[in-house]
Amino acid sequence: GQQVMQIPQYQHVQEGEDFTTYCNSSTTLSNIQWYKQRPGGHPVFLIQLVKSGEVKKQKRLTFQFGEAKKNSSLHITATQTTDVGTYFCAGRLGSGNTGKLIFGQGTTLQVKP
Amino acid sequence: NAGVMQNPRHLVRRRGQEARLRCSPMKGHSHVYWYRQLPEEGLKFMVYLQKENIIDESGMPKERFSAEFPKEGPSILRIQQVVRGDSAAYFCASARQGAVDYEQYFGPGTRLTVT
Repeated sequence: GQQVMQIPQYQHVQEGEDFTTYCNSSTTLSNIQWYKQRPGGHPVFLIQLVKSGEVKKQKRLTFQFGEAKKNSSLHITATQTTDVGTYFCAGRLGSGNTGKLIFGQGTTLQVKP
Repeated sequence: NAGVMQNPRHLVRRRGQEARLRCSPMKGHSHVYWYRQLPEEGLKFMVYLQKENIIDESGMPKERFSAEFPKEGPSILRIQQVVRGDSAAYFCASARQGAVDYEQYFGPGTRLTVT
């Protein structure tokens, strides 16, 4: 079936270091979304990427969608303790899809102050 | 404008009992998705519903699980004869439309524990 793989599973960084998580799909996606989930919380929407090669920025976060629309990345510059949580990518398939999201396994970020 | 509401937030059931999880979508949203999250794992799609219709239930286990979204009232995810493996967090999400371009808003989840 369709799969979305995300690496790494865990990442520990020192506050101020950069962080990147990568997402790869076995099939072409119509779009990809990124969510953040704090410990004990629920996923919160961060951004959606639709176009091939699209790059979007939110303050210290940079999101990219690959040219083939099969991979994506989230990069955080100069991490802060408030960035702690699990980051999920979630892809939507193309034609005929019902809008369901296929989630990656998530990357859990720990930031040491 | 209230967000997506789910209740109960925590539910404990003994093996063999029934679990009913409720989800009220955001105002103006008529599309509801249910996801299950096991500890240390991502979210797995279960079912997508519109009012009075099941659109996609490809992620639902074949037995014991059912979902509905009636014309009036919340969406209900029902698990009959629960087993320990059903212990998980169940999230619902709502969207204004089901098309590919609309983001989903997640509720706080129901943490189900089967003892």
